[in-house]
Amino acid sequence: KQEVTQIPAALSVPEGENLVLNCSFTDSAIYNLQWFRQDPGKGLTSLLLIQSSQREQTSGRLNASLDKSSGRSTLYIAASQPGDSATYLCAVKTLSSASKIIFGSGTRLSIRP
Amino acid sequence: AAGVIQSPRHLIKEKRETATLKCYPIPRHDTVYWYQQGPGQDPQFLISFYEKMQSDKGSIPDRFSAQQFSDYHSELNMSSLELGDSALYFCASSNGTTDTQYFGPGTRLTVL
Repeated sequence: KQEVTQIPAALSVPEGENLVLNCSFTDSAIYNLQWFRQDPGKGLTSLLLIQSSQREQTSGRLNASLDKSSGRSTLYIAASQPGDSATYLCAVKTLSSASKIIFGSGTRLSIRP
Repeated sequence: AAGVIQSPRHLIKEKRETATLKCYPIPRHDTVYWYQQGPGQDPQFLISFYEKMQSDKGSIPDRFSAQQFSDYHSELNMSSLELGDSALYFCASSNGTTDTQYFGPGTRLTVL
């Protein structure tokens, strides 16, 4: 059974810092991995999707990497801004059940001005 | 670009009442998924449909049922509502069961 873990559960950093969010998964037989952003009480905004054959994806100040063999992904945020404050969720789609996404519990990020 | 539409956005019900949530997928998407996110929890998969047939089932209570219609929209029917059903319900759609899932804004259900 696929389990997705995100560490840390919460992170607070001053504005301007670069930071890394971590995601690990137990079953490396994945179809893809996706990073989402969720503001309090709001919907899910897809940030980056990495297919199992890819190593990384970049969008603006965001870079996500995938190491399928070790069951890890990282989301790198450069030059953090107060507007980046949100919960970041990692989610994987496994080959054994490709129709559903399994989410991690998220990292709650707070950027201090 | 058109996105996934969910209605209503907010719903308040009493215990033991019934609720119906609707989801309109992105045009030409044939697969719909339902997720439930309780307060402070990560989203949990409930059920999915591909070409109007159930394709996968997760932790969906027996009190809940869902279907996908000929126009590919889907409805989640929830009966005998309990306080614990209060949550954000997301619908997602994709083109086929293995393609990227695009999420709607969610329906916030509050059971009093």
